[in-house]
Amino acid sequence: GAVVSQHPSWVICKSGTSVKIECRSLDFQATTMFWYRQFPKQSLMLMATSNEGSKATYEQGVEKDKFLINHASLTLSTLTVTSAHPEDSSFYICSASGHSDSNQPQHFGDGTRLSIL
Amino acid sequence: DAKTTQPPSMDCAEGRAANLPCNHSTISGNEYVYWYRQIHSQGPQYIIHGLKNNETNEMASLIITEDRKSSTLILPHATLRDTAVYYCIVREPGGFKTIFGAGTRLFVKA
Repeated sequence: GAVVSQHPSWVICKSGTSVKIECRSLDFQATTMFWYRQFPKQSLMLMATSNEGSKATYEQGVEKDKFLINHASLTLSTLTVTSAHPEDSSFYICSASGHSDSNQPQHFGDGTRLSIL
Repeated sequence: DAKTTQPPSMDCAEGRAANLPCNHSTISGNEYVYWYRQIHSQGPQYIIHGLKNNETNEMASLIITEDRKSSTLILPHATLRDTAVYYCIVREPGGFKTIFGAGTRLFVKA
């Protein structure tokens, strides 16, 4: 089946640094990728929608300058958390969708746990 | 906002069928019903989806009411490894965003 890979799985870094998370679709071309954030005991919250070759669309309340998204190819999207602070610590999950007219489900990565000290 | 309503938690005995309900009374004609589950500290795993007919695969069965306002996910023989949060989602086909509700936390007990 379709596989979405995220890297890294875990990252711990100091406050003020920037962290890049990669999301790859391994066996299909992902025209659209989505980035979610999940805090403990809560559901997934959609942060932004990333379309290959165009600017990402951010959900209300998500700072686009804080969470930089790049979707430069049909198999790779990246999320960069800039100048990360402890409140950015969370579980970040990406998902990918293939054909724009398909009812096929989105496929999710295994997430990246980000801890800012 | 999520377009679905699910009970916050359910228990099921190991080996028995787990029936997880979902209400989606405002579903539109071209929206599909998708079910995912999330095991602790992992990304969501796709289970099954359907439009209006009942569906079955190796993981589960999906029963959608005739008016499409509700559905039930059935795990025929629940195991301890089925303990997870189950999310029912309605979405149009294509690259439309998936909005998660609170889901149902299923506890399978020995």
